[in-house]
Amino acid sequence: DAKTTQPPSMDCAEGRAANLPCNHSTISGNEYVYWYRQIHSQGPQYIIHGLKNNETNEMASLIITEDRKSSTLILPHATLRDTAVYYCIVRPPYTGANSKLTFGKGITLSVRP
Amino acid sequence: DAGITQSPRHKVTETGTPVTLRCHQTENHRYMYWYRQDPGHGLRLIHYSYGVKDTDKGEVSDGYSVSRSKTEDFLLTLESATSSQTSVYFCAINQRGNEQFFGPGTRLTVL
Repeated sequence: DAKTTQPPSMDCAEGRAANLPCNHSTISGNEYVYWYRQIHSQGPQYIIHGLKNNETNEMASLIITEDRKSSTLILPHATLRDTAVYYCIVRPPYTGANSKLTFGKGITLSVRP
Repeated sequence: DAGITQSPRHKVTETGTPVTLRCHQTENHRYMYWYRQDPGHGLRLIHYSYGVKDTDKGEVSDGYSVSRSKTEDFLLTLESATSSQTSVYFCAINQRGNEQFFGPGTRLTVL
């Protein structure tokens, strides 16, 4: 699986958009970009995933560059409850036994009041 | 909610004792996973299962065994616990084909 690079931490003000970057310059053509987050002491939580096109759901938006070498997770109106570690993961298409996730260290987002 | 539970949620044990952690799911998902999480290492895959009696090793499988005798239960066993196995253990299932849903975790302390 391709490796991802994320800055170790960032912060943003409550109510503002949080833009979390991720570099995945070695991504292959069929690999997806996934985002998970982990709030302190809880299990990781799926947020969103995409292949080429930008994606949006009730939690966040995912912007993938045209060359697919980087992406940005956008939380449009961050709240204090969004304070967590966010993991950007690249993985091949769901192939059953090879569907395991490889977590890096993620980026710690701190939302300040 | 994938109806995934882990038991026990907390356990303290002594070095050399056997320990079994249980992951239970109620929605008949085929794929199940055990991860451990330690400071400085993030989440690391221990073992996974792709069906009853079908299991495979992850990146940190030494010292652990698993069993899946029925779809709903995936057991992780530490045959002889060591202090290096003190960790938080998460179980996960594959939901909707591509999304992994994680359980609440088990905090294990080996003295």
